[in-house]
Amino acid sequence: QSALTQPASVSGSPGQSITISCTGTSSDVGDYNYVSWYQQHPGKDPKLLIYEVTNRPSGVSYRFSGSKSGNTASLIISGLQAEDEADYFCSSYTSSNTLLFGGGTKLTVL
Amino acid sequence: QLQLQESGPGLVKPSETLSLTCTVAGGSISRSSTYYWVWIRQPPGKGLEWIGSMFYSGSAYYNPSLKSRVTISVDTSNNQFSLRLSSVTAADTAVYYCARQYWTWYLDYWGQGTLVTVSS
Repeated sequence: QSALTQPASVSGSPGQSITISCTGTSSDVGDYNYVSWYQQHPGKDPKLLIYEVTNRPSGVSYRFSGSKSGNTASLIISGLQAEDEADYFCSSYTSSNTLLFGGGTKLTVL
Repeated sequence: QLQLQESGPGLVKPSETLSLTCTVAGGSISRSSTYYWVWIRQPPGKGLEWIGSMFYSGSAYYNPSLKSRVTISVDTSNNQFSLRLSSVTAADTAVYYCARQYWTWYLDYWGQGTLVTVSS
């Protein structure tokens, strides 16, 4: 099983909005609403940002939101802040009862 | 607040078996019918890879690419779960994380991770 496809890097200026895409297939992202997003700062463990495509855990900023269209899920970060600079990973349940991650996207805040 | 902590050797020789334990504090492994207990790894500078998920009762799902070498087990009496990965090579060098997984396959609590290096 191949990893979900994410852009290697994205960048934006403080205050701007950015979108990170996560493309899978009809056997994972396209067929299930079990897509999650994680933020990982260097040397730290990943932190859950979004679950079940659009849901935000308690304590996660409203600036983070998720969506899905077809086989592609997206993480939207609005009002970029310096502390948002990190790596972001998506994941999806698959029809084979496995969990797939994306390759990760490095966000740079200019 | 749930806390997870990985423990085990930081150095394993090639062809040997990697063994790690995750101790769960602040909640019971066996009292939840909606959570799985999971191992994830991350090679240095690379992305995350799911290793496998186990329910406290023993049912498990494994990454097909690792399935022949992986065993995940749960010790409810000590509130721990463990990972064994056999016949390791340098490609198995990674930070290994344990985590809690909800039945809709998201990981809400993570351990801090432990680096395991495979080298002679």
